[in-house]
Amino acid sequence: QKEVEQDPGPLSVPEGAIVSLNCTYSNSAFQYFMWYRQYSRKGPELLMYTYSSGNKEDGRFTAQVDKSSKYISLFIRDSQPSDSATYLCAGENTGNQFYFGTGTSLTVIP
Amino acid sequence: DGGITQSPKYLFRKEGQNVTLSCEQNLNHDAMYWYRQDPGQGLRLIYYSQIVNDFQKGDIAEGYSVSREKKESFPLTVTSAQKNPTAFYLCASKSRGGFRTEAFFGQGTRLTVV
Repeated sequence: QKEVEQDPGPLSVPEGAIVSLNCTYSNSAFQYFMWYRQYSRKGPELLMYTYSSGNKEDGRFTAQVDKSSKYISLFIRDSQPSDSATYLCAGENTGNQFYFGTGTSLTVIP
Repeated sequence: DGGITQSPKYLFRKEGQNVTLSCEQNLNHDAMYWYRQDPGQGLRLIYYSQIVNDFQKGDIAEGYSVSREKKESFPLTVTSAQKNPTAFYLCASKSRGGFRTEAFFGQGTRLTVV
């Protein structure tokens, strides 16, 4: 079983839609959770960084962590064509190791 | 500008050759990481280092080697023992300070075997 599971998509939505991206994880030692955005042939850039359960909001982005069900989500409101990218979720254990999902490819259609 | 610099952006390797990928950071981060990214497989950890002169194998270390002689630098050598080296390689770094901080990535090196 992989440490982090993520639906690879692809996901295609119209501009302005609310996007929901989801991951599950198996390692109870994960304390920190991240969402990265990766454009084609580029390095991932950090979008959201959260600790433990709860919600964190930053502009159009909301990250949600439910440790009881080992479920993490990223919501994008008012999606834009510039949001078209691959989104990677990750968990970090207490040993400073990161484990990534396979990424979900998102296309926002104008 | 602070950040992580990977070079070269594109690298071609002949069968049987060793090649070295460069990763330099000026963020004063203690921990550095190397990942390999293949289509449909996400990021897989090759090696990581939490302090100078110390590093640990990740999940797919076979055929790779690293060194950490300076805090700023964490080069990755892809040896001839790596049978399928064509991939996108990403370097990352993070602080190991009192509060957890996020990891930042370089822009990657695309290695192709010719």
